Amino acid sequence: AQTVTQSQPEMSVQEAETVTLSCTYDTSENNYYLFWYKQPPSRQMILVIRQEAYKQQNATENRFSVNFQKAAKSFSLKISDSQLGDTAMYFCAFMKPNQFYFGTGTSLTVIP
Amino acid sequence: DSGVTQTPKHLITATGQRVTLRCSPRSGDLSVYWYQQSLDQGLQFLIQYYNGEERAKGNILERFSAQQFPDLHSELNLSSLELGDSALYFCASSVATSGGLSTDTQYFGPGTRLTVL
Repeated sequence: AQTVTQSQPEMSVQEAETVTLSCTYDTSENNYYLFWYKQPPSRQMILVIRQEAYKQQNATENRFSVNFQKAAKSFSLKISDSQLGDTAMYFCAFMKPNQFYFGTGTSLTVIP
Repeated sequence: DSGVTQTPKHLITATGQRVTLRCSPRSGDLSVYWYQQSLDQGLQFLIQYYNGEERAKGNILERFSAQQFPDLHSELNLSSLELGDSALYFCASSVATSGGLSTDTQYFGPGTRLTVL
């Protein structure tokens, strides 16, 4: 069975600094997709970034980037130049066709 | 705004009752997914519909059912409600063009907060 582990329940970072959220997953599949979703206090789930497992290049989206290590089954999210609006719960998600698994989330607080 | 709408925003009901949650996907999206987010269990995938047909099932209880209508909106029906069903229920949608097999990016609605008293 697929599992997604986020080992950091809570993290904090100073405004303008960089923070890395970790995620590991367990699968025997070769083709799958990984996502990071952000859930601010409004509780809406917002897509942050997506990575296809067949791509070696790490995905980036403005201040957000990932470090995808397929052999290690690791998918960390780096947030650069942290902003107050980045304060949210961050969920790592593993998806293969028609199966979807989310981690338990990391609560990130950006400190002014 | 993701383009996915869910109604109602909040629902308060009693144990044993039945409720219906509604979701309208983004324009052009054929797949709809339902998730349950409770405090102690994180985000759990319940069920997926693609173009009116059930495509994948997750941890959905037998007391719960869903359907997707010809206009692609979806409803999640929860019956014989228990206190433990109190949660935030999310709907998400995606294009899912590959014959319904979906690893497309999912766009989430704002959720329906269900409270069972």
